[in-house]
Amino acid sequence: DQQVKQNSPSLSVQEGRISILNCDYTNSMFDYFLWYKKYPAEGPTFLISISSIKDKNEDGRFTVFLNKSAKHLSLHIVPSQPGDSAVYFCAASAIPGGGADGLTFGKGTHLIIQP
Amino acid sequence: ETGVTQTPRHLVMGMTNKKSLKCEQHLGHNAMYWYKQSAKKPLELMFVYSLEERVENNSVPSRFSPECPNSSHLFLHLHTLQPEDSALYLCASSQDPTGGNEKLFFGSGTQLSVL
Repeated sequence: DQQVKQNSPSLSVQEGRISILNCDYTNSMFDYFLWYKKYPAEGPTFLISISSIKDKNEDGRFTVFLNKSAKHLSLHIVPSQPGDSAVYFCAASAIPGGGADGLTFGKGTHLIIQP
Repeated sequence: ETGVTQTPRHLVMGMTNKKSLKCEQHLGHNAMYWYKQSAKKPLELMFVYSLEERVENNSVPSRFSPECPNSSHLFLHLHTLQPEDSALYLCASSQDPTGGNEKLFFGSGTQLSVL
């Protein structure tokens, strides 16, 4: 049973608009949430994270929102740029780094930015 | 070189072959990981090494055998694999798997095809 779910396999957004990627989780022990970005033929790279003591974390054009009661987080990218086209993975952990359990990942959402 | 490097980038092997995947991290990290990404599935943790000791193997079949000779190098030895083992194998490292830095740094992966 998937503990981290990204229900949208793909998302198409016009350049300059806001991209919103969603992630749901089922394990109430998760306290740390991360977003990774992956280009073809490359490994995932860390984008932004949030811990459960916060409900929002912002880094430039990227903002992650966490709703712990709903077990839901989202990544907002504004404005969206062509270079943002990639697969975005949501990941979660009960402790930083994931410990012996590593990080639990979602299947990813392929974001396509249309010119 | 910087970051996490994996070789080879692509590997095709028969079910009776023996091959090894190599990973090297140049970040001075203390933990290294093997993840597997199959088509349409989330990244799955296979092995974790912390300070060169294996912490968890997550019930991975014995045809996958990890080796961590030092904190900078990680190998995944493969033998008598099955076609369903075809996947992208990703190596990652982190500073401290038990706390502090929660970010994983990934290599570009080895795309493995088992015929």
